[in-house]
Amino acid sequence: GAVVSQHPSRVICKSGTSVKIECRSLDFQATTMFWYRQFPKQSLMLMATSNEGSKATYEQGVEKDKFLINHASLTLSTLTVTSAHPEDSSFYICSAKFIGTAYNEQFFGPGTRLTVL
Amino acid sequence: AQKVTQAQTEISVVEKEDVTLDCVYETRDTTYYLFWYKQPPSGELVFLIRRNSFDEQNEISGRYSWNFQKSTSSFNFTITASQVVDSAVYFCALSEGEGTTDSWGKFQFGAGTQVVVTP
Repeated sequence: GAVVSQHPSRVICKSGTSVKIECRSLDFQATTMFWYRQFPKQSLMLMATSNEGSKATYEQGVEKDKFLINHASLTLSTLTVTSAHPEDSSFYICSAKFIGTAYNEQFFGPGTRLTVL
Repeated sequence: AQKVTQAQTEISVVEKEDVTLDCVYETRDTTYYLFWYKQPPSGELVFLIRRNSFDEQNEISGRYSWNFQKSTSSFNFTITASQVVDSAVYFCALSEGEGTTDSWGKFQFGAGTQVVVTP
């Protein structure tokens, strides 16, 4: 149980275009989803926390107008990278949890590798 | 301030050697949770273990073992008789608070330790 999927797994786009990444909880209702970014040979950095039906909370230094997060249902959150540039190339990972999750545990998706040309 | 410190950037061992990964954390909460994850080259995080702050029992799972010491704020991970398949980046993570509200439960990851096991 507690499976999280991401789509697409890999995306290549041209500079200036927007890219949408989906994060789905397949077998549970995710009240909270998290989005992380990981640059090569670095750790995961939390970008934002997304609660179903409300606005996402962004971490300091993350541009909310560039990284649009929508958590419209209890099983789906989307991250849209608007007007992507090469410096946005990274590995994006989502995670999800539900109320009462033991140990504060988050269930991680497999990640989406974004390359902006 | 960095709350999870993994001081070892990379550890290289020969197959069958033991390897210990250090994790030191910092928190003022009395309730908190610690995790270890493995990240192979594919990128997907693989859950290894979780621990709450009230459970200091060490744990062994196959070739993996964990040593949780609240007195030194450490949660170290040992791979016994390493194998080539153990080559990966290993992350230690801390989650603070009760986690009963939406704003709690954030994970803070350490910098990660790259383990390279050669035949």
